Amino acid sequence: DVKVTQSSRYLVKRTGEKVFLECVQDMDHENMFWYRQDPGLGLRLIYFSYDVKMKEKGDIPEGYSVSREKKERFSLILESASTNQTSMYLCATRFTEGQPQHFGDGTRLSIL
Amino acid sequence: GNSVTQMEGPVTLSEEAFLTINCTYTATGYPSLFWYVQYPGEGLQLLLKATKADDKGSNKGFEATYRKETTSFHLEKGSVQVSDSAVYFCALIRYNQGGKLIFGQGTELSVKP
Repeated sequence: DVKVTQSSRYLVKRTGEKVFLECVQDMDHENMFWYRQDPGLGLRLIYFSYDVKMKEKGDIPEGYSVSREKKERFSLILESASTNQTSMYLCATRFTEGQPQHFGDGTRLSIL
Repeated sequence: GNSVTQMEGPVTLSEEAFLTINCTYTATGYPSLFWYVQYPGEGLQLLLKATKADDKGSNKGFEATYRKETTSFHLEKGSVQVSDSAVYFCALIRYNQGGKLIFGQGTELSVKP
């Protein structure tokens, strides 16, 4: 089974802090994704990566950046956290295009 | 542009009732369609998929048929259980954009004993 591990289930940070969310996968998947999930809006794609050191913006990249230095790890960075970034963040991986995505359990982030 | 619209929740049913969650889509071409399920406190899991018109995806008693003429992919189950309580997401894949998924807003299902 594919295992996608997000480093924290719950996280509380303060406005203006730099926040790192980590995602690790154990199946050598090429593609990795970061989404945020908000009530009534479903999942929205923030950033994705097709391979190591490659990244592309999704639909809502503003206020976020990402890092993928190793194939198994994809980090989401909130450069200066704001209250409107309070949300559930989900990481997903996929072997290659056309294959289903596998999700982690999510990180519920609160920005105070 | 591409989009997915689901019926609003929450949907509350009694055990053994029939379930339908409506999903319609707007897309160019013929995208693959998916249903994902999110149980409380967990991430999303793929429930079923269909890759072309008239395909029927099925899993764990759930079914959905890809209807090109009505641009729909409604989720159905004949007899729900309490363990089916979850949030259900309809999604389509954007093949001309690297295979990214577009999700509906999700429909919460609550099944009472």
